[in-house]
Amino acid sequence: KQEVTQIPAALSVPEGENLVLNCSFTDSAIYNLQWFRQDPGKGLTSLLLIQSSQREQTSGRLNASLDKSSGRSTLYIAASQPGDSATYLCAVNTGNQFYFGTGTSLTVIP
Amino acid sequence: ETGVTQSPTHLIKTRGQQVTLRCSSQSGHNTVSWYQQALGQGPQFIFQYYREEENGRGNFPPRFSGLQFPNYSSELNVNALELDDSALYLCASSLAGLAGAGDTQYFGPGTRLTVL
Repeated sequence: KQEVTQIPAALSVPEGENLVLNCSFTDSAIYNLQWFRQDPGKGLTSLLLIQSSQREQTSGRLNASLDKSSGRSTLYIAASQPGDSATYLCAVNTGNQFYFGTGTSLTVIP
Repeated sequence: ETGVTQSPTHLIKTRGQQVTLRCSSQSGHNTVSWYQQALGQGPQFIFQYYREEENGRGNFPPRFSGLQFPNYSSELNVNALELDDSALYLCASSLAGLAGAGDTQYFGPGTRLTVL
């Protein structure tokens, strides 16, 4: 069974700092991996989708990488802002099911 | 282009009751997935519907069932509610099914279900 782990569970950084969130998964047989953002009590907003054949995707200040063979993905956030404060979730698509991690709660301090 | 909508936003039920949650997919999307998110946890995949057929299911008992309609909107039905069913229920729509082109999932705001 696929297991998705996110480290750290919580992170607090000063505004302007660059940061990296980690996601690991146990089974490398995935179709794609997606990073989401969730604000408290709200639904999820898609940030980046990486297909299994890709190594990275970029959108603005966000860059996500995927190393399928080692079962790892990272989300890099450049020049963090208070508006980036949220929970960040990664999810893998195995072809018959989606598996989410438990998320990293990010607080950016002004 | 309208986004994914869910109704109701909040719901309170008692143990043993039945509940129906509704989801309208984003315009043009033919796939709807349902998730259960307990407090402090990541979403757990319940099932997916693609063109009105169930297209994948997570580890949930049969009392969790669903439907997808010709307009691709969807319902999640939960029978014999238990206290542990209290959670945020999310639906997401996309263009492709699970093993398709890997289209982005677009999530609705969720329905908060409380079982007393």
